[in-house]
Amino acid sequence: SQKIEQNSEALNIQEGKTATLTCNYTNYSPAYLQWYRQDPGRGPVFLLLIRENEKEKRKERLKVTFDTTLKQSLFHITASQPADSATYLCALDEGSQGNLIFGKGTKLSVKP
Amino acid sequence: NAGVTQTPKFQVLKTGQSMTLQCAQDMNHNSMYWYRQDPGMGLRLIYYSASEGTTDKGEVPNGYNVSRLNKREFSLRLESAAPSQTSVYFCASSDTYYNSPLHFGNGTRLTVT
Repeated sequence: SQKIEQNSEALNIQEGKTATLTCNYTNYSPAYLQWYRQDPGRGPVFLLLIRENEKEKRKERLKVTFDTTLKQSLFHITASQPADSATYLCALDEGSQGNLIFGKGTKLSVKP
Repeated sequence: NAGVTQTPKFQVLKTGQSMTLQCAQDMNHNSMYWYRQDPGMGLRLIYYSASEGTTDKGEVPNGYNVSRLNKREFSLRLESAAPSQTSVYFCASSDTYYNSPLHFGNGTRLTVT
């Protein structure tokens, strides 16, 4: 069956460290993958999109990698801050111009 | 520039009642979507409209209907609400249907008793 899994429900790290969140998928062949941030009581906010022919994408303190062989995307936040505390969602397309499928999210807490 | 606006923010219904959730976007996007978010389930697509004049079923369409009223507005209707439809509903839009970031509203929290 098709699955998209984010490594853990919750991740706690110390301020200043790098947070690494994992998104694994099975039985999909996505052409692209997206990452979103969601704060409590709010809708998800788009962060980054990476295509299958791109190994890495960066935006300020954020970095995303996409390994289609391992069927995995890694999302890094460097020099993390308490304001980075939120739930982070990965999403991928079903393939063949299909719909966007979301993972359940990882709740990141950055402690001062 | 409000982005995606959803109304209402909160709603309580009794089983069997009907209601329409409203969504409007001001970004001139072609595609619009309705998702529901439940604890432990993640976001699931109910219906989408790839372009004005078209609508299609997503992963969990049963019990819902949609109308793409014009390019800006996309409504979701519950004809006979059931407790299983208790959820947070998000509307989203994107410039194109495929390979395009989604812009979400802040949701409607619906409780069906």
